[in-house]
Amino acid sequence: GQQLNQSPQSMFIQEGEDVSMNCTSSSIFNTWLWYKQDPGEGPVLLIALYKAGELTSNGRLTAQFGITRKDSFLNISASIPSDVGIYFCAGQLGSGSARQLTFGSGTQLTVLP
Amino acid sequence: NAGVTQTPKFQVLKTGQSMTLQCAQDMNHNSMYWYRQDPGMGLRLIYYSASEGTTDKGEVPNGYNVSRLNKREFSLRLESAAPSQTSVYFCASSEAHRRVREQFFGPGTRLTVL
Repeated sequence: GQQLNQSPQSMFIQEGEDVSMNCTSSSIFNTWLWYKQDPGEGPVLLIALYKAGELTSNGRLTAQFGITRKDSFLNISASIPSDVGIYFCAGQLGSGSARQLTFGSGTQLTVLP
Repeated sequence: NAGVTQTPKFQVLKTGQSMTLQCAQDMNHNSMYWYRQDPGMGLRLIYYSASEGTTDKGEVPNGYNVSRLNKREFSLRLESAAPSQTSVYFCASSEAHRRVREQFFGPGTRLTVL
């Protein structure tokens, strides 16, 4: 199946620092989603991107849909302890496979006080 | 609204046993999905149901069956559990299948097969 390469796999940062993570694919996606998963819970949608070049913010989170449609990044500014968790990107292909989301393997974020 | 609910939260099975994982959503969504999550592999789609009365295979369907009981409920069945099916299972739903973009997830079922 399709694969998304998500990096980094894990990050340890100090509270207050900014964070950046990204996903790349060999395939073109027409939608990118970013989810966060807290321990013992299901993923929760953070940001959805629908157009190449789109830049969308949700509080301290900012995500962009790459202009090549093969990548996306997520930035978190001024990290706080509750940002701890696993962040997943997910992409939806165009027609033909429009029903399925492909998920990255996740970025485990640890915020140190 | 409870969103997406799953039962049970935890389950331990012996190899060869069968069980059904239950999922229900109260958001009036048309589409529902079953994923499994394994360490370092993200979420992989097992089966999905675009609408009531239809089901289709995802990326990893072998060893599983599903039933879309009605618009609210979508169950996942393991007929003969194997250790390779030890995983965390998530159910999700979305409003319109062709705009599958936003999926809402349940809290998961943690399954161990001995």
